[in-house]
Amino acid sequence: ELKVEQNPLFLSMQEGKNYTIYCNYSTTSDRLYWYRQDPGKSLESLFVLLSNGAVKQEGRLMASLDTKARLSTLHITAAVHDLSATYFCAVDSRNQFYFGTGTSLTVIP
Amino acid sequence: GAGVSQTPSNKVTEKGKYVELRCDPISGHTALYWYRQSLGQGPEFLIYFQGTGAADDSGLPNDRFFAVRPEGSVSTLKIQRTERGDSAVYLCASSPGLAGGPNTGELFFGEGSRLTVL
Repeated sequence: ELKVEQNPLFLSMQEGKNYTIYCNYSTTSDRLYWYRQDPGKSLESLFVLLSNGAVKQEGRLMASLDTKARLSTLHITAAVHDLSATYFCAVDSRNQFYFGTGTSLTVIP
Repeated sequence: GAGVSQTPSNKVTEKGKYVELRCDPISGHTALYWYRQSLGQGPEFLIYFQGTGAADDSGLPNDRFFAVRPEGSVSTLKIQRTERGDSAVYLCASSPGLAGGPNTGELFFGEGSRLTVL
């Protein structure tokens, strides 16, 4: 069974700081997705990474994919309170999406 | 509609009862997924439809769980003889088509149906 691991599971960071969330997965896949979930809400798509070396940026978030290392990163630049949420990575394997355990991010003023 | 619609948003039932959860995907999306999310966990795959057929039902935990999509649009997840361990948020997602095709395979999620079994 494909395993998707994220770390850290919990992250508390100050506004203005930078940090990186890591997503490791256990099987070959060229497709990786990042989602955001606010408490009590559904999942919102952030990034779609479709090939080795893919890099996508949106505002203060940047995601990258290294399929050889089976690793994706989500980098947060100059964090703001609005980024507080849980972030999930998901790997597509044979049309079945496997989600990581999630990283709960809290940005402190 | 504009997005994936799920009903009911909340369902409280008693142990042993039968429950149906409905999902109305984005118009034109041929792929439909059901996931289950427990508190503090990531979504767990249950079943995937491509059109009317269940392309992969390997995530259904046991034979009390069943899902249909008779006309290739709306889907219903059916849970028989509910147990307290079935309590979770059931998420539905749709996608334009097969991930191996020209689209990105990105999933669009509904708001979920929160099931509580007393």
